[in-house]
Amino acid sequence: AQSVAQPEDQVNVAEGNPLTVKCTYSVSGNPYLFWYVQYPNRGLQFLLKYITGDNLVKGSYGFEAEFNKSQTSFHLKKPSALVSDSALYFCAVRALSGNTGKLIFGQGTTLQVKP
Amino acid sequence: EAGVAQSPRYKIIEKRQSVAFWCNPISGHATLYWYQQILGQGPKLLIQFQNNGVVDDSQLPKDRFSAERLKGVDSTLKIQPAKLEDSAVYLCASSPWGRTDTQYFGPGTRLTVL
Repeated sequence: AQSVAQPEDQVNVAEGNPLTVKCTYSVSGNPYLFWYVQYPNRGLQFLLKYITGDNLVKGSYGFEAEFNKSQTSFHLKKPSALVSDSALYFCAVRALSGNTGKLIFGQGTTLQVKP
Repeated sequence: EAGVAQSPRYKIIEKRQSVAFWCNPISGHATLYWYQQILGQGPKLLIQFQNNGVVDDSQLPKDRFSAERLKGVDSTLKIQPAKLEDSAVYLCASSPWGRTDTQYFGPGTRLTVL
């Protein structure tokens, strides 16, 4: 069964410092991996995805993620955090059966960036 | 380009009542999804439509939940009767034909069942 784990419920970082939000996955075959962000009372916003190619994926708002096949990880990173980055972040993997585009989400990690 | 529209944004009902949510996807998007997001959890797919046909409803509690997309455009999700554990945010998403790797989410409907 395909699954995603986000081991940290919350990550705290000071503004200007680098941030990492962790994600590990379990899939059969090659994974399609995603990061979404959710601000209060808003829907999910797409940040970036990995399908194939370069292991370092760049996305919106200065975020990037590194695909590591041997560690089955897809950690989200940003070199310098902003207070406005504070939000709920979800890692997801796409189910690979048939025509379904079902995304399987982790439980989410709250990022708190303090001034 | 207008995004995915959902209504209502908030709904409070008593248990055993019925409720319906509406979603209008991005114009031209063939695929429409309904996800349930319980507080503290990631979203879980309830049902996926390709035009007006169901692709995946394996996690839809069919004894109380139903959904339709009759003309392949907008969609309605219904719960009848509601239970306390149905309290959640119901997210609608859509994607273009053949691009299920690109899903655009609406703002969601927050349901509280008392």
